[in-house]
Amino acid sequence: ETGVTQSPTHLIKTRGQQVTLRCSSQSGHNTVSWYQQALGQGPQFIFQYYREEENGRGNFPPRFSGLQFPNYSSELNVNALELDDSALYLCASRNGLGSSYEQYFGPGTRLTVT
Amino acid sequence: AQTVTQSQPEMSVQEAETVTLSCTYDTSESDYYLFWYKQPPSRQMILVIRQEAYKQQNATENRFSVNFQKAAKSFSLKISDSQLGDAAMYFCAYRSNYGGSQGNLIFGKGTKLSVKP
Repeated sequence: ETGVTQSPTHLIKTRGQQVTLRCSSQSGHNTVSWYQQALGQGPQFIFQYYREEENGRGNFPPRFSGLQFPNYSSELNVNALELDDSALYLCASRNGLGSSYEQYFGPGTRLTVT
Repeated sequence: AQTVTQSQPEMSVQEAETVTLSCTYDTSESDYYLFWYKQPPSRQMILVIRQEAYKQQNATENRFSVNFQKAAKSFSLKISDSQLGDAAMYFCAYRSNYGGSQGNLIFGKGTKLSVKP
């Protein structure tokens, strides 16, 4: 069974640019959540996708957007990057929308905005 | 809105000893889950233990156990016989069983645990 993978591992972007982060969910998992973890903080929920539809969103502006594909892999897109977007971005997948389903995390993408 | 508070930014324990990490949370809900996650330097979040709010019995996983006090909204993690591999950031997390936020985690700020040989 393949775990959750994310790419790239590290990324450096300039303020104002756009970035796309990718997540491949664990086999059979149809729900993907994205989290932002700033340095020294706990992860914060950005949004989640269930069967290719956004289903729940945290307190993040619209310039944070996403996609989920038929194979349940997912992308996180951030437009007009700001310095405060520098963080570790984690995705987590699970096999269902309900809270009883366990979330499995990927290793994250470290984004640095200069 | 629910909140999770970890009041110990850093903790240290001697190898083979026992350490307890504290967590409090605030919610008006009655049906939820609580978790402890471990994040080593590799960054990958690993589930340590979970507790369902409607279960009175404290969860246990090998050397890890919790003290769940629902009325006090307290959820502490006890690590027995600490090992060098236990050194990591530990996050307490809450997950609602209601509505649109169902399934998503609310994390505390974490406690950095060091294990001394």
